[in-house]
Amino acid sequence: NAGVMQNPRHLVRRRGQEARLRCSPMKGHSHVYWYRQLPEEGLKFMVYLQKENIIDESGMPKERFSAEFPKEGPSILRIQQVVRGDSAAYFCASSPLKGTNTEAFFGQGTRLTVV
Amino acid sequence: TQLLEQSPQFLSIQEGENLTVYCNSSSVFSSLQWYRQEPGEGPVLLVTVVTGGEVKKLKRLTFQFGDARKDSSLHITAAQPGDTGLYLCAGAVHSGGYQKVTFGTGTKLQVIP
Repeated sequence: NAGVMQNPRHLVRRRGQEARLRCSPMKGHSHVYWYRQLPEEGLKFMVYLQKENIIDESGMPKERFSAEFPKEGPSILRIQQVVRGDSAAYFCASSPLKGTNTEAFFGQGTRLTVV
Repeated sequence: TQLLEQSPQFLSIQEGENLTVYCNSSSVFSSLQWYRQEPGEGPVLLVTVVTGGEVKKLKRLTFQFGDARKDSSLHITAAQPGDTGLYLCAGAVHSGGYQKVTFGTGTKLQVIP
């Protein structure tokens, strides 16, 4: 999973600020997933993107959260006006195009702390 | 929405014991993966099972996919402290050329030396 790069690893924001989390998928992978994990819990799906296209955003909160995966550059998960409840680990995973029976490989995550 | 329930949620055992973790759903999956996650790290893929009834072995770990592709189990023989971690199953559904992956609730395993 070292091939999926997330940055920053740790991010501290004050309430009301914006948080930008970046994910560079493995080489050759054009599908990206974002997940959120609270302490001692499993992974909760947020959004599934292909380059320049949102496939499924059913797990994204309707307000303050957005995601993109541009033609060039990393995928970005953006959280506006952060609140303490946004504090969590956010993981990105990538898989190849034509994902038929292919696995998703994870980055090391970004740990967001809202103070 | 596909839901995956894992049991047990927590498990603390002595080194050398055997254990089984279960992953159950009412949905059918195209494939199912098992991951292990250590504190502060991302999940690491252990195995993918695709065919109903399939059994895969990875050293002391044995993975089985249910005949109906709705459930799976992970059996660890002679557990070691290095097996400690959060075990996650993930079911994949393929539709329209895309793959939706849903994670289970997780099983936290502690192996005591």
